[in-house]
Amino acid sequence: GAVVSQHPSRVICKSGTSVKIECRSLDFQATTMFWYRQFPKQSLMLMATSNEGSKATYEQGVEKDKFLINHASLTLSTLTVTSAHPEDSSFYICSARWAGAKNTEAFFGQGTRLTVV
Amino acid sequence: AQKVTQAQTEISVVEKEDVTLDCVYETRDTTYYLFWYKQPPSGELVFLIRRNSFDEQNEISGRYSWNFQKSTSSFNFTITASQVVDSAVYFCALSVGDSSYKLIFGSGTRLLVRP
Repeated sequence: GAVVSQHPSRVICKSGTSVKIECRSLDFQATTMFWYRQFPKQSLMLMATSNEGSKATYEQGVEKDKFLINHASLTLSTLTVTSAHPEDSSFYICSARWAGAKNTEAFFGQGTRLTVV
Repeated sequence: AQKVTQAQTEISVVEKEDVTLDCVYETRDTTYYLFWYKQPPSGELVFLIRRNSFDEQNEISGRYSWNFQKSTSSFNFTITASQVVDSAVYFCALSVGDSSYKLIFGSGTRLLVRP
């Protein structure tokens, strides 16, 4: 199956700093990538849809200035958590869909556990 | 609006028992996809199955089987002869339309299989 790689898998940062998370599709081109957030023992909630070469589409309630998404190429999307606070501590996971194929599922990265101290 | 309900928060079984995880979905779209994912303690999401709304055939894959019933808007997942390695959180998810691919997840069911 297709491989989506997320980096880093774990990160601890100080409150007020910014953290960048990368999502790469390793063996396919992804026109669309999705970013989800999962708080402990809760479900995954879609944060935003990242489209290659255009602005991301954010879900209601997600601050676009705080969660910056860049999808500069068909294999890479980045999520930057700016001025992180302890309440941003969560599990962030991306998924990527193979461009040019209508009937495929989106593949998930392994996730990034962010802890803000 | 779309919604996925997994009413069972946590299930505990003894190894070798069969267990069924329930999933009920809501959507007005006629074209949609249903998914099951497994999330072990390490956190990654393991894809188990995808089913489109036009295919109501039940599916079996080894010890796993899925029962899709549009009449009751349910897509239940059964593990036969459960094993300790099946312990994980299982998510049912819905994607509407044929080009969206953003997933709406249920709240998940934590399955604990005891030796």
